[in-house]
Amino acid sequence: EDKVVQSPLSLVVHEGDTVTLNCSYEVTNFRSLLWYKQEKKAPTFLFMLTSSGIEKKSGRLSSILDKKELSSILNITATQTGDSAIYLCAAYNQGGKLIFGQGTELSVKP
Amino acid sequence: KAGVTQTPRYLIKTRGQQVTLSCSPISGHRSVSWYQQTPGQGLQFLFEYFSETQRNKGNFPGRFSGRQFSNSRSEMNVSTLELGDSALYLCASSLLTSGGLSSYEQYFGPGTRLTVT
Repeated sequence: EDKVVQSPLSLVVHEGDTVTLNCSYEVTNFRSLLWYKQEKKAPTFLFMLTSSGIEKKSGRLSSILDKKELSSILNITATQTGDSAIYLCAAYNQGGKLIFGQGTELSVKP
Repeated sequence: KAGVTQTPRYLIKTRGQQVTLSCSPISGHRSVSWYQQTPGQGLQFLFEYFSETQRNKGNFPGRFSGRQFSNSRSEMNVSTLELGDSALYLCASSLLTSGGLSSYEQYFGPGTRLTVT
C-alpha cells in the first residue's frame, strides 16, 4: 500500500534557528512530491518536486528530492514565529492519486 | 484570480442525516479532488473528478459520493451520517488531472467543518 511518512511529527525551535523536515515515500510508480504549509486553515502549496537533486527555493524555504533514497527534505532557515504551522508532504502515484503524510507540526518560539 | 471556494464553511448534522458540500475550483481548473482531514488519520483522499467523470477513488464506503458539473464545480454527498464522519472536508483544484508523466499542483479551499452529533 502506498504511504508517505514524515519526521519528526513535532518540533519546537526558537526564532532564528534552521530546521530540516523529512519525508520518505513508498508509492507505486512515483511521479512527484509536493510540500504544503497548513496553519489554521487550508494547506498552502509550497513546492512540487519531480527531478532528483534539483533544489527548489522560495525565500527562506528550500526543498530537494532524492529519488534514490525515496525521500525529500524541507529546509527553513532563520525561522520566524510566522513559520509555525503543520508542514505536509504528499506524493503522486502514477494513477494520479495524491498520498499525504501525517505532517510535521513546527512551533517557533520567540 | 479567486481561489477555491467551499460552502458551507461549518455544518452541524445529526446521525443518520445526509449532507451535501459544494466546491468551486479556481477559474480554468478542471480537476477537483476531495479529502477528509481528521486529527487521527490526517488528510485522506476521497475522490477526484475531471471533466465530470470520477477519475480516482479512495478507500471510503459507498456512503461518500460526489459529482462534477460542466462548469467544473463539484459536490460531495455523505448519506447516513455517522459520528466518525465529523471532520474537515477539503476540496482542491488543479489545472488538469495528474497521472502518467504529468503532475499538477493542487490548490486547496478553506474546507467545510462537519460536526455529526
